[in-house]
Amino acid sequence: QSVLTQPPSVSGAPGQRVTISCTGNSSNIGADSVVHWYQQLPGTAPKLLIYGYNNRPSGVPDRFSGSKSGTSASLAITGLLAEDEADYYCQSYDSSLRAYVFGGGTKVTVL
Amino acid sequence: QVQLVESGGGVVQPGRSLRLSCAASGITFSRYGMHWVRQTPGKGLEWVALISYDGTDQYYANSVKGRFTISRDNSKNTLYLHMNSLRAEDTALYYCAKAPGGGTRVFFDAWGQGTLVTVSS
Repeated sequence: QSVLTQPPSVSGAPGQRVTISCTGNSSNIGADSVVHWYQQLPGTAPKLLIYGYNNRPSGVPDRFSGSKSGTSASLAITGLLAEDEADYYCQSYDSSLRAYVFGGGTKVTVL
Repeated sequence: QVQLVESGGGVVQPGRSLRLSCAASGITFSRYGMHWVRQTPGKGLEWVALISYDGTDQYYANSVKGRFTISRDNSKNTLYLHMNSLRAEDTALYYCAKAPGGGTRVFFDAWGQGTLVTVSS
């Protein structure tokens, strides 16, 4: 069971907007630990998608955005494309565990 | 372009040892903290260990503390993970990952392709 909780799956039609939640607690996201997001395409390693809540590495389209509220963070994908079909993971730091922690991952399906 | 290439995975019996390596290129290796992260179908991604840029500090997940040792050789641009007393639950795909910063704000901006460790009798 992961420290950060994500929905197992979300889906949307091409062009739609989907959001993925990442829920933590007062030892991680609620303690102002920064949240980062990764995209993992089938058969490949995770790739950094968003860092520091809402910063995109070079090459990541602005269709991807992040936000935080309280003990939760969210990743939004607008203008959904078939190529966005992948697993998405959130990551933060837990001060109680003294460890970097991940969410369980969310599979995005483009209908 | 950053390239991280892991090796050393394989099938090993419970209680035995294994050493993973990660060869880095395309970066000034000695400037960055490096991590091992593992992935299993059932448990997803799990951070395993961190070593500081100069090798003086190491940190471990509770699940591997006392059994795994992370080390690096900056002259060879190589990261290592020495795994002792292996258990079935250590079965996973092991990634090395580069972190541009340190402390609580760490994120992983480059990953290897992973090396598979299977612990089974």
